Amino acid sequence: AQSVSQHNHHVILSEAASLELGCNYSYGGTVNLFWYVQYPGQHLQLLLKYFSGDPLVKGIKGFEAEFIKSKFSFNLRKPSVQWSDTAEYFCAVNKKSGTYKYIFGTGTRLKVLA
Amino acid sequence: EPEVTQTPSHQVTQMGQEVILRCVPISNHLYFYWYRQILGQKVEFLVSFYNNEISEKSEIFDDQFSVERPDGSNFTLKIRSTKLEDSAMYFCASSGTSGTEGETQYFGPGTRLLVL
Repeated sequence: AQSVSQHNHHVILSEAASLELGCNYSYGGTVNLFWYVQYPGQHLQLLLKYFSGDPLVKGIKGFEAEFIKSKFSFNLRKPSVQWSDTAEYFCAVNKKSGTYKYIFGTGTRLKVLA
Repeated sequence: EPEVTQTPSHQVTQMGQEVILRCVPISNHLYFYWYRQILGQKVEFLVSFYNNEISEKSEIFDDQFSVERPDGSNFTLKIRSTKLEDSAMYFCASSGTSGTEGETQYFGPGTRLLVL
């Protein structure tokens, strides 16, 4: 069955701490991988995506993610978080063919303390 | 930057009533989607729409649900007879032509539906 797991449901960090959010997927075939962020009261915004090539991808706002094919993982990282990073973060996967529907993880709520 | 828009932002309805949720996708996009998120749960795929027909639907998308693209800009989700368990945030998304942009979806702000 197709699934995406995000292991950390709630994360609390102080400003300037480093962040790593886990994402593992189970999905047959070749996939694309995404991280979206949802700030309070706002819509889902694309942080970064991986389609092919360099497994380390850089996104907006200083975020990056690394695709490790052998581990079926796509973890999100940021070296130093800010209070404004407080949001919910979603990992998503879709296939490279067909309808491109997304399978989402459960989301991780990040709270950054000033 | 083009955005996906959705109306209304909030909708309260009585059980058994019909609701129509509206979305305006990004203008040159060809793939359209509805997702929902029940409070405290993950975002779930409902339906995808391409070339004026449903291309895939989930088990959730039963006969009570329908989608339509009535004109060149709107994309609607209709729930014919709402149930309590339909209470959720409903997200519309769109993506472009095949290739890179066809695989990245852009989301609207959502409609929060409450069924009483």
